[in-house]
Amino acid sequence: DQQVKQNSPSLSVQEGRISILNCDYTNSMFDYFLWYKKYPAEGPTFLISISSIKDKNEDGRFTVFLNKSAKHLSLHIVPSQPGDSAVYFCAASGRTQGGSEKLVFGKGTKLTVNP
Amino acid sequence: NAGVTQTPKFRILKIGQSMTLQCTQDMNHNYMYWYRQDPGMGLKLIYYSVGAGITDKGEVPNGYNVSRSTTEDFPLRLELAAPSQTSVYFCASSPFQEQFFGPGTRLTVL
Repeated sequence: DQQVKQNSPSLSVQEGRISILNCDYTNSMFDYFLWYKKYPAEGPTFLISISSIKDKNEDGRFTVFLNKSAKHLSLHIVPSQPGDSAVYFCAASGRTQGGSEKLVFGKGTKLTVNP
Repeated sequence: NAGVTQTPKFRILKIGQSMTLQCTQDMNHNYMYWYRQDPGMGLKLIYYSVGAGITDKGEVPNGYNVSRSTTEDFPLRLELAAPSQTSVYFCASSPFQEQFFGPGTRLTVL
């Protein structure tokens, strides 16, 4: 049972245009959401996050939107650059019984930004 | 700060062999995690630790063991390697929610 779903395995956009990556979740207990970026042969790196008490968080060219009623979040990249080409993972967390913060990851979306 | 370091980067094992994947972090984070990533899949949690001396199972713990004797180190042990354990393994550490990942170990079991 996938609790975090990224239904688009890949996305291709032109340089300078907007990239929109989507993520859906099923567990209402999730209260913190993160986006990670991963280049080949490297570990994932943190990009941006959002708490469930907010509906938008912005950091430079990256904005994450959260729609709690729809259990949906999206990452917008404006303008897209060729260096943004990578796999993007959506992740969600909620407190476990032991108090640790475990992340549940989606399968990732491969973004290709064409020059 | 080196962040999270993992060794080795690559390894080929024969079925039934054992090995330890090393993970060290220098950020004094309490939380540490081991994930595996199979092709086309997300990261799946194998084991995690909330502090030295405390470990717990994640989503896919079978065939693995861990220990956490210090804050810095969190080794992952494969006792009897199987082809199903062919994967890329990532170690991560965290002060709370944001996790910092190592570069990964690519393991092939033949």
